[in-house]
Amino acid sequence: DQQVKQNSPSLSVQEGRISILNCDYTNSMFDYFLWYKKYPAEGPTFLISISSIKDKNEDGRFTVFLNKSAKHLSLHIVPSQPGDSAVYFCAASEGNTDKLIFGTGTRLQVFP
Amino acid sequence: KAGVTQTPRYLIKTRGQQVTLSCSPISGHRSVSWYQQTPGQGLQFLFEYFSETQRNKGNFPGRFSGRQFSNSRSEMNVSTLELGDSALYLCASSLGGATGELFFGEGSRLTVL
Repeated sequence: DQQVKQNSPSLSVQEGRISILNCDYTNSMFDYFLWYKKYPAEGPTFLISISSIKDKNEDGRFTVFLNKSAKHLSLHIVPSQPGDSAVYFCAASEGNTDKLIFGTGTRLQVFP
Repeated sequence: KAGVTQTPRYLIKTRGQQVTLSCSPISGHRSVSWYQQTPGQGLQFLFEYFSETQRNKGNFPGRFSGRQFSNSRSEMNVSTLELGDSALYLCASSLGGATGELFFGEGSRLTVL
């Protein structure tokens, strides 16, 4: 039972344009939703998060939107840069714990 | 500030052997969690320790175990290794505020032959 799903394994975007990464979840008890970025041969790096009581959180070029009724969240990167090319993981947590449920990741490629 | 340090970075074992992986969290972080990353299953939660107590455990067989020491350093052990245990094992630390913001190490890549 995959509670967090990323249905797009890959995404290719031109530099300067918007990148939109999507994530769906099934557990309505999740408290936090997060995005992590991972480069090859490195551990994941925290990017941005959103509490379940909010619907939007913005940090520079990165914005996460949460639609609780649809159990859907998305990450917008504007403008996209070649250095953003990495695998992006959506994750969720529930309760007083650091246990994260991860999606399978979306590989973003930003080309010049 | 030093990041999360995992040792060893790479190791090769044979079926039936056991392995111990080590993790040193960021100074001041009291929570350490472990994840397994494989191409087929993605990132899967193994266990979480906070102040030397296991706070949560993932859906892995009893061959997988861990512990945390009083200095917050953590170890995980896998006994009776199977081919399917080949994976990248990632350790992450946090202050323990349960916001999900974790700091990951670079991982220990285990190959079981």
